[in-house]
Amino acid sequence: EAQVTQNPRYLITVTGKKLTVTCSQNMNHEYMSWYRQDPGLGLRQIYYSMNVEVTDKGDVPEGYKVSRKEKRNFPLILESPSPNQTSLYFCASSLSSEVYYNEQFFGPGTRLTVL
Amino acid sequence: AQTVTQSQPEMSVQEAETVTLSCTYDTSESDYYLFWYKQPPSRQMILVIRQEAYKQQNATENRFSVNFQKAAKSFSLKISDSQLGDAAMYFCAYYVYNQGGKLIFGQGTELSVKP
Repeated sequence: EAQVTQNPRYLITVTGKKLTVTCSQNMNHEYMSWYRQDPGLGLRQIYYSMNVEVTDKGDVPEGYKVSRKEKRNFPLILESPSPNQTSLYFCASSLSSEVYYNEQFFGPGTRLTVL
Repeated sequence: AQTVTQSQPEMSVQEAETVTLSCTYDTSESDYYLFWYKQPPSRQMILVIRQEAYKQQNATENRFSVNFQKAAKSFSLKISDSQLGDAAMYFCAYYVYNQGGKLIFGQGTELSVKP
């Protein structure tokens, strides 16, 4: 089954404790991105990757890191999480960045709470 | 900067009735794409419908249709014959060319369907 998977689905952590949210897709997609969803703000892009080894900042990159060493994986790293990073996180992928043409597939979401 | 606004945080519709969700956007671009996504309680993001700005004809997908008013920068979603399974958060989104495949999302409208 073609899908985007994220782990963990739920995470409660404390301020300053480094964490990684994994994202993997099995569709051989070139393009991957991360969004965060907050009430009243919709979804906002954190980082994106056009292809392996090429990543760039989205609209809200502060406090986050990413890496794209393999085509299928795009982990989101929070080096020192803070309470304002409590949010619902989505990973997404598509064949290319032309998401108007190539549908963007979203993962199931990761609910992160930072105490 | 491009923005997307959904002015109705919550909407309610009776089963089998029709409901329209509003969305306005701001852009100086002439060519772009617009989307409606559905997010049920499972949190999965599901593409409902998309519209190319250069097309005059409004997009339709079964019970879902849009009213695209380019001059007014309006992109509303009409759901006909509402079903209980339509209950979800609905997001309007705008695709930005040459900005890393980013989708700009509105704040969302929570739709409830009454039996």
